[in-house]
Amino acid sequence: KNEVEQSPQNLTAQEGEFITINCSYSVGISALHWLQQHPGGGIVSLFMLSSGKKKHGRLIATINIQEKHSSLHITASHPRDSAVYICAVNGDSGGSNYKLTFGKGTLLTVNP
Amino acid sequence: EPEVTQTPSHQVTQMGQEVILRCVPISNHLYFYWYRQILGQKVEFLVSFYNNEISEKSEIFDDQFSVERPDGSNFTLKIRSTKLEDSAMYFCASMSGFVENTEAFFGQGTRLTVV
Repeated sequence: KNEVEQSPQNLTAQEGEFITINCSYSVGISALHWLQQHPGGGIVSLFMLSSGKKKHGRLIATINIQEKHSSLHITASHPRDSAVYICAVNGDSGGSNYKLTFGKGTLLTVNP
Repeated sequence: EPEVTQTPSHQVTQMGQEVILRCVPISNHLYFYWYRQILGQKVEFLVSFYNNEISEKSEIFDDQFSVERPDGSNFTLKIRSTKLEDSAMYFCASMSGFVENTEAFFGQGTRLTVV
């Protein structure tokens, strides 16, 4: 069973700051997902990574498969980035299922 | 952009009643899931569905739960006799499965309150 740990649990930043959220997992995976959950509850996929680095606008996600660690970075943070950011992993199941195991999430608050 | 839709957005039910949560996954996706999130806790896997049958279920998914894809579009989660502890946000998700690792698409969730 994979254990997914995120840090920090809560993060408060000032607008414009560079944000880093970390995720580590205990068992080999086929892919890692970064998700965003707004107060209304809906979940939106930000990235799916199996290696290296991806960038969408101000968001950057990296993964180190050997170290079982991923980071989500937000450059020039903005109050609209305030949300819960969740790391989730696919099992290394040979592609038979792709079910996700979730971390507890990081609550990010960006103040103007 | 294709999306997963869930109905209703909020359901209040009496303990012991049956509820059906409905989802319309993205039409050409092959893998379907139900997850739940109890208030203040992390999202948990309930069940996965592939090729018209359950491919995996968690310990939470006991005999009170069932899933169906009756008409090739809707994907439903039924709770036969709800308990107070079933109160949670329930998320439907789908993945294409066309390549080994694909993005997960989530619905907006159904908030179930059992009173």
